[in-house]
Amino acid sequence: GAGVSQTPSNKVTEKGKYVELRCDPISGHTALYWYRQSLGQGPEFLIYFQGTGAADDSGLPNDRFFAVRPEGSVSTLKIQRTERGDSAVYLCASSLEQYGGYTFGSGTRLTVV
Amino acid sequence: QKEVEQNSGPLSVPEGAIASLNCTYSDRVSQSFFWYRQYSGKSPELIMSIYSNGDKEDGRFTAQLNKASQYVSLLIRDSQPSDSATYLCATLRKGRPGTYKYIFGTGTRLKVLA
Repeated sequence: GAGVSQTPSNKVTEKGKYVELRCDPISGHTALYWYRQSLGQGPEFLIYFQGTGAADDSGLPNDRFFAVRPEGSVSTLKIQRTERGDSAVYLCASSLEQYGGYTFGSGTRLTVV
Repeated sequence: QKEVEQNSGPLSVPEGAIASLNCTYSDRVSQSFFWYRQYSGKSPELIMSIYSNGDKEDGRFTAQLNKASQYVSLLIRDSQPSDSATYLCATLRKGRPGTYKYIFGTGTRLKVLA
């Protein structure tokens, strides 16, 4: 597609439930990133994929968070046993290589009630 | 100390004025700097990148970098109400071996008054 696509755009879930957030990057972009943005804050790094592998997952806050990119294109961020503190906008970005600018998707607003 | 620091604002300027947005960073080895614009409820959009000391101009935007002072700024000339947004400063930092990632500041909210 022309841009980075994220689905769903909004997700409301109950505390303790499992959620999956999907990112479809720009075609041909091998680098894919997940960031989390809380209100009034800048985006916070979660994980970076180069191709199919998670090259840097140091930003994942704990083992409830996991992400995959099995075919080197679409990525899914998975959150188990959601907590109210997980509420944020989850942003996905892709780029041709690591050193330049990213193109961000429109984000998924996750609300845990 | 945060790695990338910005004044959260809001910074209010009249239409037609120059808006000056500032950013400082703590990691002296940082080499690459980026300015993103984020409209309320939207995702960040890259507007400028700068890698060398000095000024870089693109239309109404000028990015300035001073590595000795660890300072990056963005000037917006002839500010328009449509420039009202949050401006995020970011630097590229090394992550796990062979990887890099953006570290963002908290952003400065700019309001251009008509």
